[in-house]
Amino acid sequence: DTGVSQNPRHKITKRGQNVTFRCDPISEHNRLYWYRQTLGQGPEFLTYFQNEAQLEKSRLLSDRFSAERPKGSFSTLEIQRTEQGDSAMYLCASSSPRGLGANVLTFGAGSRLTVL
Amino acid sequence: DAKTTQPNSMESNEEEPVHLPCNHSTISGTDYIHWYRQLPSQGPEYVIHGLTSNVNNRMASLAIAEDRKSSTLILHRATLRDAAVYYCILSTNNNDMRFGAGTRLTVKP
Repeated sequence: DTGVSQNPRHKITKRGQNVTFRCDPISEHNRLYWYRQTLGQGPEFLTYFQNEAQLEKSRLLSDRFSAERPKGSFSTLEIQRTEQGDSAMYLCASSSPRGLGANVLTFGAGSRLTVL
Repeated sequence: DAKTTQPNSMESNEEEPVHLPCNHSTISGTDYIHWYRQLPSQGPEYVIHGLTSNVNNRMASLAIAEDRKSSTLILHRATLRDAAVYYCILSTNNNDMRFGAGTRLTVKP
């Protein structure tokens, strides 16, 4: 198992363009999370999936953001009409809770977005 | 939402113990206390978690106050590789994994 994989690792785009990030979780993990992190801040929760169902979305996830996990395996996070304020590290994590309280997240290395 | 409060930064000397505090005065009976750390240029990594009793693993120890309103992550002998941001998180019903700003630990040689 290679852990949680995120692609691309770096993306530079112009304002107004669309970008898509992909996350491949650990294969047996049924939960998948997306976070956003800006410099000097902790990760901010965006959304999470249990299998293919999107169970929670943060208010941070504006209409320009959409996340999918079509077959309960990999997930994509798309940002439409990017703005400079979208520049951040986008982190993906997966987990497979075993018992109450045992929701241990494994994070990927992140996808860094720079919007010019 | 249950929240945690941590100092912004702490310093330690190499090979000395480090005690990283976390206050969570609004914790509910079913909230688990999780600790993660984030090394420079990496995603966060799990350190330890617990409910009521103190916990030990190969990375650290977690001491939980009797009233559960605070906890302390203990690194028994800090190394330079322990320099990171440490996050204390309350996990509600296994769903809510929300990070705060964390404590930036600097380890001096």
